[in-house]
Amino acid sequence: DAEITQSPRHKITETGRQVTLACHQTWNHNNMFWYRQDLGHGLRLIHYSYGVQDTNKGEVSDGYSVSRSNTEDLPLTLESAASSQTSVYFCASSEGTSYGYTFGSGTRLTVV
Amino acid sequence: DQQVKQNSPSLSVQEGRISILNCDYTNSMFDYFLWYKKYPAEGPTFLISISSIKDKNEDGRFTVFLNKSAKHLSLHIVPSQPGDSAVYFCAATSGSGNTGKLIFGQGTTLQVKP
Repeated sequence: DAEITQSPRHKITETGRQVTLACHQTWNHNNMFWYRQDLGHGLRLIHYSYGVQDTNKGEVSDGYSVSRSNTEDLPLTLESAASSQTSVYFCASSEGTSYGYTFGSGTRLTVV
Repeated sequence: DQQVKQNSPSLSVQEGRISILNCDYTNSMFDYFLWYKKYPAEGPTFLISISSIKDKNEDGRFTVFLNKSAKHLSLHIVPSQPGDSAVYFCAATSGSGNTGKLIFGQGTTLQVKP
């Protein structure tokens, strides 16, 4: 069965370190997205991609980057982790939104 | 600026009764709206959607109503069941759903008491 997986599920890192969160989907979807979930803010869009070599900034992109070298993967990199980036991160994929996104199970990141 | 707002952080209802979750939006370009349900330690899952050409869409116990003039939508769950207890997110997009980029609200935590 097709799926979307995120790794790791939990991560603790120190301030200033570079961190990469993985997202892998086998749906063959062109569209992939990264969101962060924070209390009182809901889900906020970080970066998104409509296909290989395409990346776009979302509403809270500062301090994050992504790259899309193939259809299956959209890794999210925190260049220099900050405590404000402590959050739960969700990756999603879709082919248009008529049927909604398929979300991964999330990565809980703690920056200490 | 929050383009999609869910002003009620939480809602508690009795099993069997109706649950009504509300959502407001500010961007008049939005033309497709979705509701997602999220359990703890899981990713959100798609529940129901509605296009701006409609004012109602129904799927089993779930009905979404859209009032374009008020820029307001609501999700009705009838009858509510304890398994419906979860966080519900409203989301919106433009381009008739083809752009793929969703803007989410803050979420409403629904508790259905047995």
